Amino acid sequence: GQQVMQIPQYQHVQEGEDFTTYCNSSTTLSNIQWYKQRPGGHPVFLIQLVKSGEVKKQKRLTFQFGEAKKNSSLHITATQTTDVGTYFCAGPKRGYKLSFGAGTTVTVRA
Amino acid sequence: DGGITQSPKYLFRKEGQNVTLSCEQNLNHDAMYWYRQDPGQGLRLIYYSQIVNDFQKGDIAEGYSVSREKKESFPLTVTSAQKNPTAFYLCASSVTGGLEPQHFGDGTRLSIL
Repeated sequence: GQQVMQIPQYQHVQEGEDFTTYCNSSTTLSNIQWYKQRPGGHPVFLIQLVKSGEVKKQKRLTFQFGEAKKNSSLHITATQTTDVGTYFCAGPKRGYKLSFGAGTTVTVRA
Repeated sequence: DGGITQSPKYLFRKEGQNVTLSCEQNLNHDAMYWYRQDPGQGLRLIYYSQIVNDFQKGDIAEGYSVSREKKESFPLTVTSAQKNPTAFYLCASSVTGGLEPQHFGDGTRLSIL
């Protein structure tokens, strides 16, 4: 099974609202990466978090790595239609492989 | 522009037929990967290669084969032994194969006729 679990699987958001998606692991992660896949597209790397408690922002997106390095979150403020897509987190698994979560698929109501 | 090129974009396979998916990169990356994506299951690793002439099985290698004869190329063959090959296949690369970001191609969608 996958090492990282993402919740929720689906997120339906009203345009302009905020939402958060979560990534959880049963084991400590050395780092975590986030990717975005637009409908019909391919995953695109967004960010990598390495330090305990690290917070990074990209415009309206805020990424956080938990203090215990077992969870991470992505918070989007003032959701726009351009935010539509599936957001994946990925953590290391058995050395240098990445294990991807199942993703959170975001739809936006205009 | 540097990037990863996958071809074809769509592929149809008959029962009992092997098909090969192409993946070429001009990023000068050492590591390359193949993932399978099914709805609601995220990305699952099929094979990966950190250096020419060497590759390792991922989590779902059964029914697939790969080669890495050149740094730029990492073709994936879906054999007739893969009983449920209908999926979206993504090729990716990274600089060294460590825990750095991966760059993905546009993918190949394989369907069974």
